[in-house]
Amino acid sequence: TQLLEQSPQFLSIQEGENLTVYCNSSSVFSSLQWYRQEPGEGPVLLVTVVTGGEVKKLKRLTFQFGDARKDSSLHITAAQPGDTGLYLCAGKNTGNQFYFGTGTSLTVIP
Amino acid sequence: NAGVTQTPKFQVLKTGQSMTLQCAQDMNHEYMSWYRQDPGMGLRLIHYSVGAGITDQGEVPNGYNVSRSTTEDFPLRLLSAAPSQTSVYFCASRHTNTEAFFGQGTRLTVV
Repeated sequence: TQLLEQSPQFLSIQEGENLTVYCNSSSVFSSLQWYRQEPGEGPVLLVTVVTGGEVKKLKRLTFQFGDARKDSSLHITAAQPGDTGLYLCAGKNTGNQFYFGTGTSLTVIP
Repeated sequence: NAGVTQTPKFQVLKTGQSMTLQCAQDMNHEYMSWYRQDPGMGLRLIHYSVGAGITDQGEVPNGYNVSRSTTEDFPLRLLSAAPSQTSVYFCASRHTNTEAFFGQGTRLTVV
């Protein structure tokens, strides 16, 4: 059972464009994390959001946790080729385990 | 710091063979997990451990065994490999409420 669905699955955009990636679930999570993964490597943490409605910014990346703590979004402003990678959300359930989303593969074309 | 170390990085098995994927961490993390990553599926939790001597099943445990005899090591065993187990496997470790640190992965092909 895939608890977290991400959309879109694939995204190819030009350098300088903005984009939003969505992470949705019918389950409530105590916290949610976003990771970025490059080819041949393991995922690396970008941010953790804990409170419903919380917004965190990391340079050109803006992360939001839904009010009901069931969904999240990642917005990238003025995308750069270095943003290319696989973006994964991960929600922590009541059992203190993280379950990962289906992933969004982003390609930023110079 | 070594962080999370997985071996081997690549492996080809024949159907029915057994093997163990090794995972070691040097950060004294109590939580360790094994995930498999398949195209379009993200990372799926296979087994996890909340401390030495304690293991539990994740989303997709069938065909895999684990043990946690020490805090540092968390091996994943495939008793009889099947083509459906062709995947990239990641080991991760963390403290209770912190980020997960991942190994570089093991790319397994079962023919």
